[in-house]
Amino acid sequence: AQTVTQSQPEMSVQEAETVTLSCTYDTSENNYYLFWYKQPPSRQMILVIRQEAYKQQNATENRFSVNFQKAAKSFSLKISDSQLGDTAMYFCASPAIRTQGGSEKLVFGKGTKLTVNP
Amino acid sequence: DGGITQSPKYLFRKEGQNVTLSCEQNLNHDAMYWYRQDPGQGLRLIYYSQIVNDFQKGDIAEGYSVSREKKESFPLTVTSAQKNPTAFYLCASTKGGSNQPQHFGDGTRLSIL
Repeated sequence: AQTVTQSQPEMSVQEAETVTLSCTYDTSENNYYLFWYKQPPSRQMILVIRQEAYKQQNATENRFSVNFQKAAKSFSLKISDSQLGDTAMYFCASPAIRTQGGSEKLVFGKGTKLTVNP
Repeated sequence: DGGITQSPKYLFRKEGQNVTLSCEQNLNHDAMYWYRQDPGQGLRLIYYSQIVNDFQKGDIAEGYSVSREKKESFPLTVTSAQKNPTAFYLCASTKGGSNQPQHFGDGTRLSIL
């Protein structure tokens, strides 16, 4: 079975500081994409960032960046200059199966609840 | 604007009743998914469909059923066989391909009366 592990159920950070959320995954695929999703109190799932596994360069989207360690199957999310609006659940996801049609089943971690304090 | 619409936002089920959750997308996506979210459990896959008239069971399909008669629609029925249906249900779709993220609806909260 393929699993995604987020070892920090809850974290907190002060506004303007940096925080890192950890994620490890297990897949038998060679080429794949990894995703971080954000779920604010409104419960809408929002894509934060994605990483191509065959690219060595870590993905960056404004204040969000990843530290991708392929050999260790680690995919952590760094949030710089934290803002109050970053308060949310954060889910890491990796593909479970690569199908002939190209569509993916995603396996999600159990999430990390991040609170940004003023 | 394109997106995924889930309805209703809140739904209540009586004992022994089947209820259907609607999911419609106008993104022209081929694949659609249903997830269940419980506190502390993350998202668990119920059913998914890659093309019209075809669908597969996910990890927790027991007590649920789906249909995919149209590309844009993927309704989920929670049957009376699902003994613990209280949860938040999310529908998602993707264009397909390993580099495409899933797009999500706003969810339906199902509770037992």
